[in-house]
Amino acid sequence: NAGVMQNPRHLVRRRGQEARLRCSPMKGHSHVYWYRQLPEEGLKFMVYLQKENIIDESGMPKERFSAEFPKEGPSILRIQQVVRGDSAAYFCASSPSGTSYGYTFGSGTRLTVV
Amino acid sequence: GQQVMQIPQYQHVQEGEDFTTYCNSSTTLSNIQWYKQRPGGHPVFLIQLVKSGEVKKQKRLTFQFGEAKKNSSLHITATQTTDVGTYFCAGSSGSRLTFGEGTQLTVNP
Repeated sequence: NAGVMQNPRHLVRRRGQEARLRCSPMKGHSHVYWYRQLPEEGLKFMVYLQKENIIDESGMPKERFSAEFPKEGPSILRIQQVVRGDSAAYFCASSPSGTSYGYTFGSGTRLTVV
Repeated sequence: GQQVMQIPQYQHVQEGEDFTTYCNSSTTLSNIQWYKQRPGGHPVFLIQLVKSGEVKKQKRLTFQFGEAKKNSSLHITATQTTDVGTYFCAGSSGSRLTFGEGTQLTVNP
C-alpha cells in the first residue's frame, strides 16, 4: 500500500523558469493538501483540493502559483517564473476525508531556485 | 484567520529528562492533531484528540486536549535520542489543518 508519492525529491530551477511538483495521494484518499515549509519554520497551508475541484486556495499566492487535481493522474503544484524566495520544501498530504483523519505526508519536493 | 501558537520553539534536554510542548489556538478547535518530523524528513502523524479534556498515551508520550478545546500539550517522559525531531500540533476548525510553528527537540546522550 504505497504512501503519498511526491516527485521530484529535489528540483533546481533558475530564476524565471517554471517548477512543476507532482503528488499522488494514498490509494483511497481523495483529499489533497499542499504545504510549504521554509528551513527551521512550520508548515504553511497553500491549497486544498479534491478531484477536479479546488476547495480552499486561501494560502496560495495570487500570482505565479496554481494547483490542480485532475480526474486522472497526480495533483500538480505549478510555480511560474520562480524567484529565489520560492526556495523551500513543498509537502503534499492526503486524507480519506477532510480533517477528521490524520494526514499522510509525502517525502516532499525540495525546490532550490538559483 | 485561525492561529495556532506553539512553545517553546526549541528545547534541549539530556537523555532521560522529560519534555513538554504546548499548543494554543486563537479559536475553538474541532480536533487537534500531533505530528513528528525528523531532521530532513517529512511530518508523520502521531495522534488525534477530539473530546474536551481528552488524554491519550502512546508509550512514553502523553497528549492532552484542554477543556475549552483551544489548547493542547505533548509530554514525553524520559526522553531518548530517538525522540529527536520537531513536534507540530495542528488544529482543525474548518476545511483544513493549521499547523503550529513546532518545537524542535534535541536530546544529548
